[in-house]
Parts: sequence; structure tokens; C-alpha cells
Amino acid sequence: DGGITQSPKYLFRKEGQNVTLSCEQNLNHDAMYWYRQDPGQGLRLIYYSQIVNDFQKGDIAEGYSVSREKKESFPLTVTSAQKNPTAFYLCASSIGGRGREVRGYTFGSGTRLTVV
Amino acid sequence: GQQLNQSPQSMFIQEGEDVSMNCTSSSIFNTWLWYKQDPGEGPVLLIALYKAGELTSNGRLTAQFGITRKDSFLNISASIPSDVGIYFCATMNSGGSNYKLTFGKGTLLTVNP
Repeated sequence: DGGITQSPKYLFRKEGQNVTLSCEQNLNHDAMYWYRQDPGQGLRLIYYSQIVNDFQKGDIAEGYSVSREKKESFPLTVTSAQKNPTAFYLCASSIGGRGREVRGYTFGSGTRLTVV
Repeated sequence: GQQLNQSPQSMFIQEGEDVSMNCTSSSIFNTWLWYKQDPGEGPVLLIALYKAGELTSNGRLTAQFGITRKDSFLNISASIPSDVGIYFCATMNSGGSNYKLTFGKGTLLTVNP
């Protein structure tokens, strides 16, 4: 079955360390997105990518980095520059990409990152 | 950026009651989407609306795209315990190069058995 997979489900990081969250989709979707969710804050966009080898900053990109070397994969690195990284991170994909209409997102099941 | 006002922020209801939540904006949109997020999981699309005035049902859920294109509501009838979760509205302008959804802050629904 097609879907979008995030791993790991739970991740613990020591202060000062970089950590990479995985997101893989086999839906043949062009566009992929990373969101951060904090209680009462809703979903805030970190980065998005409409096409391979291209990505754009979202509303809260500081302290994060991404790559899009393959259509199926859009890993997110939480760097030591992110001052408050503890949160629930959601990856999503959509059939729309550059110049194409988005018809809603498919979300992964999320990664809960905790800084210890 | 575009702002969506979703209300109420949270609801506590008894099993069997009906629920209504809504989203409003000062901007006009071509699409309204409603998602549900179970605890510890990613949001799942419930209903998609693409035309002003459209009324769409999905089981016990009914959603409408406001005629002014600035609002939408979601109703849940005869609530059950598994309706618990966070409900998000989302919008976008379809066509051309618009590729990002804007989300409301969510309505947290608690159903007491």
C-alpha cells in the first residue's frame, strides 16, 4: 500500500547535537512538507519542497535544514541552533508540485523529538 | 500570511451529543479541507470542499463551504468516544502555483462516555 513513513516514532537528543528525522513516501507525490506541532500552536510550516533538488523555507525554518535528493525522501535535520526543538514533527506530501494544483496533503504518523 | 480563525479551541461533550466547529477568514479561498488528528498520529483528511455553498457528508460528519468563501463549518452528529482528537480546518487557493495549505489552530474534542 502507498503511504508516507516517518521514522523514528520517538527520538531523544542531547543538547548541542544535530538529529535527522526521516520521511519517505511511495505515493509518487511531487511536493513534500515538514511541520512542527506544539500544544495549542497548530501546525507550523518548517520547510517544503515542490520538486527534487529544490526546497523553500517555511514560517519557522531557523535551526532546521532539509535536502531533497530523491523524489521519495525529504529528511529534516534539527540542528543545535534550534533553541527549543522538543516538539512533534509531521511530514506530509501532496500530488501538487511546481505549477500543479495541490489537492490536500497526506501526512505521516509523526516523530516526537525530546531534548534531554 | 493568511490567518484562519478556528473555534472553539476545545470542546467537552457527552457521548451522543452533536458537535459543531467552524473556521473563518478575512480572505477568500477556493478550497476548504477538514482533517482529524488522533492522539500521537498524523492528521487524516475527513472532507474536502471545492465549491462555495457545497455541503458534503462523510458518515456522521457534515461540512459546508460558506457561500462567501470565507468560512466553513464541520458538524459531527451523535458523537462517540472514538471521535476524540484534534480537528483542523485548512485552506488553499487552487490552481496556478499555490501549493501550500494554511491550517487553523485546531479544535480539541473530548467525548465523555
